[in-house]
Amino acid sequence: EPEVTQTPSHQVTQMGQEVILRCVPISNHLYFYWYRQILGQKVEFLVSFYNNEISEKSEIFDDQFSVERPDGSNFTLKIRSTKLEDSAMYFCASSISPGLAVNEQFFGPGTRLTVL
Amino acid sequence: KNEVEQSPQNLTAQEGEFITINCSYSVGISALHWLQQHPGGGIVSLFMLSSGKKKHGRLIATINIQEKHSSLHITASHPRDSAVYICAVVGGSGGGADGLTFGKGTHLIIQP
Repeated sequence: EPEVTQTPSHQVTQMGQEVILRCVPISNHLYFYWYRQILGQKVEFLVSFYNNEISEKSEIFDDQFSVERPDGSNFTLKIRSTKLEDSAMYFCASSISPGLAVNEQFFGPGTRLTVL
Repeated sequence: KNEVEQSPQNLTAQEGEFITINCSYSVGISALHWLQQHPGGGIVSLFMLSSGKKKHGRLIATINIQEKHSSLHITASHPRDSAVYICAVVGGSGGGADGLTFGKGTHLIIQP
């Protein structure tokens, strides 16, 4: 069964460093998403991406964040200068969602980011 | 902004019991997801529904759009059902760009 994959599973970085989190969405899906979950808190929406551009973003997704689909398979989230409060689990998701239909989002296993 | 509330926050039950988890939201939606999160952190989609009722194995999900309420039921619960169950809603426009708004989750423990 097709699934969303994410790498790495765990990333440790120093404050101020740039990190790139990688996701491979399900191959025929058209919409891609990033979410984050700070330890002990609820999952929060960061950004959605369609047709090579951002469709929607939350107030969390500030100038320190960027997303890219560098090739036909990968979808990346870059944090330019990490802060301690960026420590969280980051989930990628994808959905097929043609047109205006609402389709199920499928989640990757997550990347745990630890900023020291 | 949609407020998603789940109850109970924590639930401990004995194996075999019938489990109900509730979700309410404040603003009209186009669809609602029920998700399962295991201790390792991964999220699995259980259901997406926009009306009525869906059943998958021992899991049943219902939604009442007028009352802005959904329930997840587990019949004949088993220790392997122990997980966090999360309700998440899709905004009213229904377009694929809509990110999900999540509840805080219900931590379910099924004891043998």
